[in-house]
Amino acid sequence: AQSVAQPEDQVNVAEGNPLTVKCTYSVSGNPYLFWYVQYPNRGLQFLLKYITGDNLVKGSYGFEAEFNKSQTSFHLKKPSALVSDSALYFCAVRDERGQAGTALIFGKGTTLSVSS
Amino acid sequence: EAGVAQSPRYKIIEKRQSVAFWCNPISGHATLYWYQQILGQGPKLLIQFQNNGVVDDSQLPKDRFSAERLKGVDSTLKIQPAKLEDSAVYLCASSLVGRWNEKLFFGSGTQLSVL
Repeated sequence: AQSVAQPEDQVNVAEGNPLTVKCTYSVSGNPYLFWYVQYPNRGLQFLLKYITGDNLVKGSYGFEAEFNKSQTSFHLKKPSALVSDSALYFCAVRDERGQAGTALIFGKGTTLSVSS
Repeated sequence: EAGVAQSPRYKIIEKRQSVAFWCNPISGHATLYWYQQILGQGPKLLIQFQNNGVVDDSQLPKDRFSAERLKGVDSTLKIQPAKLEDSAVYLCASSLVGRWNEKLFFGSGTQLSVL
């Protein structure tokens, strides 16, 4: 069965430093991977996705993610963190079980805290 | 463009009571999802609609949960009777046509507390 794992409940980083939020996945077929961000009292917002092609995917707000097939990882990165990046981040994989296969399976989330 | 609208924003009920949540997706979006997000966990799919038909309800507890999308636009999710473990945020999401590589647009959710 497909799944994603986010091994860190919380990541703390100082403003201006690079950040990494980790995600590993398990799929039976091709991995279709996504990152979403959730700000307090807001719905989830799409950041980026990997479908195929380049292993480095660029997304919204300066975020990027690196797909690594051999390590089954899809880590979220940003070269220079901002205080406003503080939020809850979810990694997700497309659910292949459904008839249409468009629903997503989410990890438990990682809280990113950026200090000034 | 207007986002996914959900109401109410908060709901507090006692166990064994019933409750209903409403969702209006982005105009023109054919696919609608209901997710349950329990505190400390990622969202879990409850049901997926394509227009007014159910695509996937395999994780919906059908003995107490029901959902409908009668005209292929807005949707209602109902719980009857509610249990303590139903306390969660209920998220509605929509996507344009339901392709596997589409992004989902989420509403702000309804936070349910069952006492």
